[in-house]
Amino acid sequence: EAQVTQNPRYLITVTGKKLTVTCSQNMNHEYMSWYRQDPGLGLRQIYYSMNVEVTDKGDVPEGYKVSRKEKRNFPLILESPSPNQTSLYFCASRRGSETQYFGPGTRLLVL
Amino acid sequence: GNSVTQMEGPVTLSEEAFLTINCTYTATGYPSLFWYVQYPGEGLQLLLKATKADDKGSNKGFEATYRKETTSFHLEKGSVQVSDSAVYFCALIGQAGTALIFGKGTTLSVSS
Repeated sequence: EAQVTQNPRYLITVTGKKLTVTCSQNMNHEYMSWYRQDPGLGLRQIYYSMNVEVTDKGDVPEGYKVSRKEKRNFPLILESPSPNQTSLYFCASRRGSETQYFGPGTRLLVL
Repeated sequence: GNSVTQMEGPVTLSEEAFLTINCTYTATGYPSLFWYVQYPGEGLQLLLKATKADDKGSNKGFEATYRKETTSFHLEKGSVQVSDSAVYFCALIGQAGTALIFGKGTTLSVSS
């Protein structure tokens, strides 16, 4: 089954404790990206990757890092999480300008 | 730059009512246009899409037509059901094919 998976689905952490949210897709898509969703602000892109070893900032990259060492994986790293990074995070992938597929979401609470 | 504007919600309807959610866009060239739906507690899933002018996307009774002259992609359904209650997002990918840009989303609530 074609899918984008994210782990964990739910995470509660404390300020400053580094964390990684994993994302993996099995569709051999070149393009992958991360979004955060906040009430009243909709979906905002954090980072994206056009292919292996090619990443670029989206609209709200501050406080986040990503890497793309393999085509299927695109982890999101929060090196020193802060409460304003409490949000719902989505990973996504697609080929070219075709349909973009989303993961199920990771709900993060930073205390 | 590219942008999407969709009507603010929430939209509250009775079952079997007609639904329209307006979406307009700003983009150079010929973007691809999408409607995504997010059911409560779930991720986003594609509802329908259109990739060129005058194309009509349709799925699950929903329709939207790519109108280049009015830069619009309004979502319609003739008879909504309670199960259609969700957040609907209009989105586009520009001709250069980079970011999928979303509108802010419209919450639809359908009561029986």
